[in-house]
Amino acid sequence: LAKTTQPISMDSYEGQEVNITCSHNNIATNDYITWYQQFPSQGPRFIIQGYKTKVTNEVASLFIPADRKSSTLSLPRVSLSDTAVYYCLVGDRGGADGLTFGKGTHLIIQP
Amino acid sequence: GAGVSQSPRYKVAKRGQDVALRCDPISGHVSLFWYQQALGQGPEFLTYFQNEAQLDKSGLPSDRFFAERPEGSVSTLKIQRTQQEDSAVYLCASSSGLAGVRPETQYFGPGTRLLVL
Repeated sequence: LAKTTQPISMDSYEGQEVNITCSHNNIATNDYITWYQQFPSQGPRFIIQGYKTKVTNEVASLFIPADRKSSTLSLPRVSLSDTAVYYCLVGDRGGADGLTFGKGTHLIIQP
Repeated sequence: GAGVSQSPRYKVAKRGQDVALRCDPISGHVSLFWYQQALGQGPEFLTYFQNEAQLDKSGLPSDRFFAERPEGSVSTLKIQRTQQEDSAVYLCASSSGLAGVRPETQYFGPGTRLLVL
């Protein structure tokens, strides 16, 4: 399994764009990059998934450079409610596999 | 229900006591996973079911941990002779189990917070 490295914590302010970068130097050809979000006292929640280039949904964007050795989760115009832990996961078709979480990035949004 | 539910939400056990944690997955979901999350850490995989079959139990930390899903829906994680190091949040997740080339989205329950005194 490809190992991921992401900052332990970040902070920002309401209304700002937040970018969280994840390094995964050993990503394999069949691996996808998936981000989950976890609020206190809740289970993780899927945010976005991509393989290459850019993916955008109603919540976030995911930027993946051509070499796929890193990826950046972009949260536009954050609010206080975006304060959470964000996990970057790398793996292939995982229907039968448990997810491998690291420690994640604790994002704190201030007013 | 609309999502994954778990019960109880909180459990306090005395060391040596047996506990049983329940997970109700999303209806129709084939795959079910259990994770353990220690304070300040990410979830760690414990075990995986496809319908009623336990296909992977490599993450169970000891033979005191046992999971079952007898009818392919509700699952129970049982911990025998609980120890203080078992204190953690136990998360259940389910996914549709449809074959595909990309990792499936897993839908997590709120977890059961276990405290062993």
